[in-house]
Amino acid sequence: EVQLVESGGGLVQPGRSLKLSCAASGFTFSNYGMHWIRQAPTKGLEWVASISPSGGSTYYRDSVKGRFTISRDNAKSTLYLQMDSLRSEDTATYYCATPTGSGLYFDYWGQGVMVTVSS
Amino acid sequence: DIQMTQSPSLLSASVGDRVTLSCKASQNIYKYLNWYQQKLGEAPKLLIYYTNSLQTGIPSRFSGSGSGTDYTLTISSLQPEDVATYFCQQYNSWPTFGAGTKLELK
Repeated sequence: EVQLVESGGGLVQPGRSLKLSCAASGFTFSNYGMHWIRQAPTKGLEWVASISPSGGSTYYRDSVKGRFTISRDNAKSTLYLQMDSLRSEDTATYYCATPTGSGLYFDYWGQGVMVTVSS
Repeated sequence: DIQMTQSPSLLSASVGDRVTLSCKASQNIYKYLNWYQQKLGEAPKLLIYYTNSLQTGIPSRFSGSGSGTDYTLTISSLQPEDVATYFCQQYNSWPTFGAGTKLELK
């Protein structure tokens, strides 16, 4: 059974940093691109960042470029999101997700982890 | 970015009704369109991918159609467990999602 379990969320002051983790199991982690998607309270979904199976290619939405870093450790089957210079507008539930099919459709999601940026 | 517009934002329907949700893209997305269901407090669940392909394990009362910029999710006979918010997502370019349609029972 595929499982994605996020951790590392919490309350953080504006300008500070936080690192999220997503532990994967039940599939060959190193074969798949991985993604972070967020959802602000009572809002819609927003793609944040993606990383290729090898980790050699990364992609970010404009609003987080230069502040967030996506990475992975294939030996540990774990995905990360380092979030620096956090802003109030980064407050959201963060999901890791993966498409295991041939297109960019997210068939597996974690349960989500809440990040609150507030003083 | 490709903008996705869903309508209506809120839909009230009765058990057994045929329900249609709409999603419009700001440009042609060549059928690269997925639908998700999100229940309160849960992660989204993939229902339909590439416009009309039913994800494994999803009931056949769910179906998708469309082309170009206009897409539709149809529930042929609404069930109580279908109460949720439904999101469309395009992947012709980096993924963008619609704002959602909240489906409630009348």
